[in-house]
Parts: sequence; C-alpha cells; structure tokens
Amino acid sequence: QSALTQPASVSGSPGQSITISCTGTSGDIGGYNYVSWYHQHPGKAPKLMIYDVSNRPSGVSNRFSGSKSGNTASLTISGLQAEDEADYYCSSYTSSSTPVVFGGGTKLTVL
Amino acid sequence: EVQLLESGGGLVQPGGSLRLSCAASGFTFSSYAMSWVRQAPGKGLEWVSGLSGSGGNTHYADSVKGRFTISRDNSKNTLFLQMNSLRAEDTAVYYCARSYYAIFGVPIPFDPWGQGTLVSVSS
Repeated sequence: QSALTQPASVSGSPGQSITISCTGTSGDIGGYNYVSWYHQHPGKAPKLMIYDVSNRPSGVSNRFSGSKSGNTASLTISGLQAEDEADYYCSSYTSSSTPVVFGGGTKLTVL
Repeated sequence: EVQLLESGGGLVQPGGSLRLSCAASGFTFSSYAMSWVRQAPGKGLEWVSGLSGSGGNTHYADSVKGRFTISRDNSKNTLFLQMNSLRAEDTAVYYCARSYYAIFGVPIPFDPWGQGTLVSVSS
C-alpha cells in the first residue's frame, strides 16, 4: 500500500479542468512543502510537472498548478488536452525511515 | 541537453547480484544529488535510494536497506546501484534521476529521468 493516497482514476473532457488529490499525513505532506507531481505516458519515463507544492519547472505549461491544504496536496490541470492523458504521481519528502514516498498513481482519461 | 542513460539491467536469479549504471551528460554531474527510482511491471513508482553530489551522504528505502548500495564516480559522470541478495519483488524498471537539491541530505525532486533499465529476478 502506497504511503500517499491518490484516486485511481479521474476523467474530463477537452477544455475542462480537473483536480487530482494526494493525501498523506503530518509526517509528509502536512509537515513539509516538498510535494512534487509527475506525469508518465505509457512506456515512457516520468516527467516532473510541479515541485515544492506549486512551482512549475521551466517548459511546463501554466495549465498545470499545484496547491496544498493540511495533509492533502492537489494538482489541477486546466484546459484539458488530449496529450494530458497519462498517469500522474504525487511524491513527498517524509520524516519516516524511507524519506521519499510516492502516491499510487492516478490515471487521467481525456474523454 | 541533459541526458541520463541507464544500463546493466537483465535477468538474474533470486539471491544474485547486479550493478546498474547511469551515464550522465549535459550538466556538471558533481554539482547534483542523484537518485534511483523503480517501477514494478504495471505498478507505481517507488523511491529506492539517493546520494549527494559528493557521494558522501546516502539514503535508502527500507525495502532495499542492507542489500543495495548507491555510489557515484564524478570523474566519469556515472551513478551506480549495486544490488545484492535480489528478490522477486525487486523486479522493476529502474530509473536514475537528477535532483534540484537535497533536503536533510535527501535528493528531491526528480528531473529529468533516464529511460530506465529493466531488472528481472526469476529462477
């Protein structure tokens, strides 16, 4: 079982906005601002989309945004496009003996 | 262009050993902390290990502690993962990744990633 909890799947139509949640504890998401989000297309390596809760790496579209409230982080994708269809993973630094944890992943389907 | 190229994966019997390599190019390798992250077939991502730019500060997931050793050769711009006492549950694609910084010595976040190398543990 993953340390961070994500919904297994979300879906949306082109042009719509969707939000993916990532729930942890005070020992990870709630205690540190080191949440990152990755997307992964089938057969490809993951790609960083958001880091430090809400920062976008250079080259990532501003349609992607991140936020955090308490022990839950969220990734919002606005203006959905077909190319956004992928698996999305959250990750956080954690105070546990394994210092980095990932969520189980969320499959985004663009209808 | 930043590039990471993993190699060394393959089929190994339970209890065996394997050494993965990750050749880096396009950046000053010694200035960056690096990590290994794995993904079992059809499953999610699992952080395995990370180390500082100098190689002096290392961290491991509980699932591999005592069996895996991460290291780097900054003169050859290469990251390594020595995997001993391999188990069936270690079967996965292993990715190396560069990190922006280290928090309490732990490299995060992961950007970019290599293309991965497949490790299969089976008799």
